[in-house]
Amino acid sequence: DAKTTQPPSMDCAEGRAANLPCNHSTISGNEYVYWYRQIHSQGPQYIIHGLKNNETNEMASLIITEDRKSSTLILPHATLRDTAVYYCIVRVVAGYSTLTFGKGTMLLVSP
Amino acid sequence: DSGVTQTPKHLITATGQRVTLRCSPRSGDLSVYWYQQSLDQGLQFLIQYYNGEERAKGNILERFSAQQFPDLHSELNLSSLELGDSALYFCASSVSGANSYEQYFGPGTRLTVT
Repeated sequence: DAKTTQPPSMDCAEGRAANLPCNHSTISGNEYVYWYRQIHSQGPQYIIHGLKNNETNEMASLIITEDRKSSTLILPHATLRDTAVYYCIVRVVAGYSTLTFGKGTMLLVSP
Repeated sequence: DSGVTQTPKHLITATGQRVTLRCSPRSGDLSVYWYQQSLDQGLQFLIQYYNGEERAKGNILERFSAQQFPDLHSELNLSSLELGDSALYFCASSVSGANSYEQYFGPGTRLTVT
């Protein structure tokens, strides 16, 4: 699986959009970009995934650059409950590949 | 609530002992994964089972073993426990083992070895 690089921490004001970047410059053509988050000591929670097109669901939007070397997770209106560690993971969805978690980005949403 | 249950929530035991952690996957999910999260190592994949068979192995110690039963629940056995085994242990499940997009994580079991 390709390696990812994320900033260790970010701050966001409540109600504003949180834009979390992820660099995955060595991504292969068959690798997907996944985002999970982990609220303090709880189990990680799936947020969204994509291959090359931008994706949106009820939680977030995922913007993947045309060359697929980086992506941005967007939480459109961050709330205090969005304070968590956000993990960007790149993996092949084939065979029995697993999730490899890095250190992620600690997002702190403040009032 | 992910639908994945884990018991017990907390476990305190002494070095050298053996413990068993239990996981029930979401209804309909055939695959179970175990992860360990410690302060210094982060979240690490241990092992995966699909419909009762081992499918993938990560950084699982030889002192640790797991199995998945016919009713699809899984148990992680940790033996000869050391202080460094203190960690959060998460179980996750997914519909299939291969080509699976999402894993749903349980609330975890916090193991403290004293």
